[in-house]
Amino acid sequence: GAVVSQHPSWVICKSGTSVKIECRSLDFQATTMFWYRQFPKQSLMLMATSNEGSKATYEQGVEKDKFLINHASLTLSTLTVTSAHPEDSSFYICSARDPLLAGGPREQYFGPGTRLTVT
Amino acid sequence: GQQLNQSPQSMFIQEGEDVSMNCTSSSIFNTWLWYKQDPGEGPVLLIALYKAGELTSNGRLTAQFGITRKDSFLNISASIPSDVGIYFCAGPAGGTSYGKLTFGQGTILTVHP
Repeated sequence: GAVVSQHPSWVICKSGTSVKIECRSLDFQATTMFWYRQFPKQSLMLMATSNEGSKATYEQGVEKDKFLINHASLTLSTLTVTSAHPEDSSFYICSARDPLLAGGPREQYFGPGTRLTVT
Repeated sequence: GQQLNQSPQSMFIQEGEDVSMNCTSSSIFNTWLWYKQDPGEGPVLLIALYKAGELTSNGRLTAQFGITRKDSFLNISASIPSDVGIYFCAGPAGGTSYGKLTFGQGTILTVHP
């Protein structure tokens, strides 16, 4: 079946530095990918919608300049957390939409997530 | 915006017991989804419900779409240790796309052997 991967699976960075997280669709082309954030023991919160070849759409309250999203190809979207602070520590999960399955809930596949810890 | 309230927040049960959790919304959802998330992993779709009153099973899991379209429940029968994880209800945000999902707060399930 379709698989979505994320890299790295976990990362520790120092406060003030930037970190990039990759999301790849491995066996389908995803024109749309989504980025979620999940704090410990909390739900997934949608951060932004990433569209191939165009600017990402951010949810209300998500800082565009802090969470840079690039969707340069049909199989790769990246999330860069700039000037990271301890409060950015979280579990970041991407999902990718398989256009061949569009219109149903099984169109979306989630990645395994990236654990970010900012010290 | 739409919010999903899920209960209970956590459950501690013995292996073999049945489990029930539910999800309610302040607004109508046209689709209800139930996901399971294992530790350190992304969520995996368990069951999808498309119309009010629908009752759907997936192995030991059974879910129902409430008649009012504002609630849903998930039952797990004869629980086993691998059922451990976080269960989320979810629905399309704004009813427009399955990609943009609103999630409930999750139910943490612990199964004691």
